[in-house]
Amino acid sequence: SQQGEEDPQALSIQEGENATMNCSYKTSINNLQWYRQNSGRGLVHLILIRSNEREKHSGRLRVTLDTSKKSSSLLITASRAADTASYFCATDRQAGTALIFGKGTTLSVSS
Amino acid sequence: EPEVTQTPSHQVTQMGQEVILRCVPISNHLYFYWYRQILGQKVEFLVSFYNNEISEKSEIFDDQFSVERPDGSNFTLKIRSTKLEDSAMYFCASSQDRGMGSNQPQHFGDGTRLSIL
Repeated sequence: SQQGEEDPQALSIQEGENATMNCSYKTSINNLQWYRQNSGRGLVHLILIRSNEREKHSGRLRVTLDTSKKSSSLLITASRAADTASYFCATDRQAGTALIFGKGTTLSVSS
Repeated sequence: EPEVTQTPSHQVTQMGQEVILRCVPISNHLYFYWYRQILGQKVEFLVSFYNNEISEKSEIFDDQFSVERPDGSNFTLKIRSTKLEDSAMYFCASSQDRGMGSNQPQHFGDGTRLSIL
């Protein structure tokens, strides 16, 4: 399968620190997306990076993609308590097709 | 900002009963999806729907499942005879047509928690 797998499974940091989460996948992809899920809630789309892009920024988020290593990283800078959530990467092989999710990284940011 | 809405937020059903989960996708979206997340596990794709037909489905989406777009706004998932293992959070998602650009994200609703007793 082309599943994304994140590591670490859990990450605990202090407010103001940076959080880095990694994702690996197995097959060729069209896009890689990162989602956030607060406990008991839906998935909030954070950022999409295309297979021909290497880096993308959105506010405090920075995503990198290395298609040769089939991996991506999500960096959250200057973390806040409100960033506490689970973060998932998801890949698709073309637009309008199934997203394949990883198991996610649970981020805890303490104040 | 437009959003995907799902009802009910929580559904409790006896095993063997039929259940219908409802979704209202974002109005100008043409691709619709259902996913599920069993407690503590990853989000799993069930089915995608485009142009009034199923465009893709997973192994999970067996004959017990069906989807329908009964009118111009709703998108439903029906489970004909529920089993204990159907207990999960079910998410609806939608995305724009490929013609709008091939890199449109899928937007998710808050989910319906389905509990089978």
